[in-house]
Amino acid sequence: EPEVTQTPSHQVTQMGQEVILRCVPISNHLYFYWYRQILGQKVEFLVSFYNNEISEKSEIFDDQFSVERPDGSNFTLKIRSTKLEDSAMYFCASSSGASGEQFFGPGTRLTVL
Amino acid sequence: GESVGLHLPTLSVQEGDNSIINCAYSNSASDYFIWYKQESGKGPQFIIDIRSNMDKRQGQRVTVLLNKTVKHLSLQIAATQPGDSAVYFCAERERRTGYALNFGKGTSLLVTP
Repeated sequence: EPEVTQTPSHQVTQMGQEVILRCVPISNHLYFYWYRQILGQKVEFLVSFYNNEISEKSEIFDDQFSVERPDGSNFTLKIRSTKLEDSAMYFCASSSGASGEQFFGPGTRLTVL
Repeated sequence: GESVGLHLPTLSVQEGDNSIINCAYSNSASDYFIWYKQESGKGPQFIIDIRSNMDKRQGQRVTVLLNKTVKHLSLQIAATQPGDSAVYFCAERERRTGYALNFGKGTSLLVTP
C-alpha cells in the first residue's frame, strides 16, 4: 500500500540553525501539506501546496518557514532560523484531490536546543 | 477563533466492549469531519469521515454520528480490541475557507484485556 515517507525521523538542532525536513508524498497525489504537533497538544495546520505554489497557510507559517517541491517526488519544509518553540513533531500529508482524504507520514521529531 | 475540542481526554474500556469517543466543534459552517487514529510514534491514520449532509456513516466496526444542531460528533467502535488503543482525533474543515484540517486535542483510548 502506498504511503507517505518522511526523513529524518528525528532531527536535533541548535537554536538559530536552519533545518530542512523532507517528505516523499504518495506518487500520484497532487496536494501536499505540512502540519505540526507540539508535545501533548493537537495537530496544527501549517501550509498546503498545489501546482508548485502555496494554496493556504496558517498564522504559524511565518517568514521563517518555506516549502519547496525540488523534484518530482520530494516535498520539503525549511525553517530558516529555528527557535526553541519550533520543537515539535512535523507531519507531511498528501491527497489526490483538494477535498480528498489526507494521508499522513510518520512524522519528523524536531528538537531545538 | 473557532475551535474543535474533545469532551474527555482519556477513556478506558474493556476488550470486547463498545467505545464511544465524543467531539464538539464550534464552527457551524464546517462541512466535512474526519476521525483519525494516532498510535505512539506514528502519524494520524484516517478512520472514517462524514460530510455535513449526512448524520451517520458506518465503516468496519466504526460508526460516526454527526449532530449539526448541537455541533457534536462521535465515533463508536464496536467490540473494542487491544489494537484500538491509541489517541483519537476529530478534525473538521470548512470547504469555503480551504482544505486545511482543524484538529481537536485528542482522546486517549486504553483497551484493557
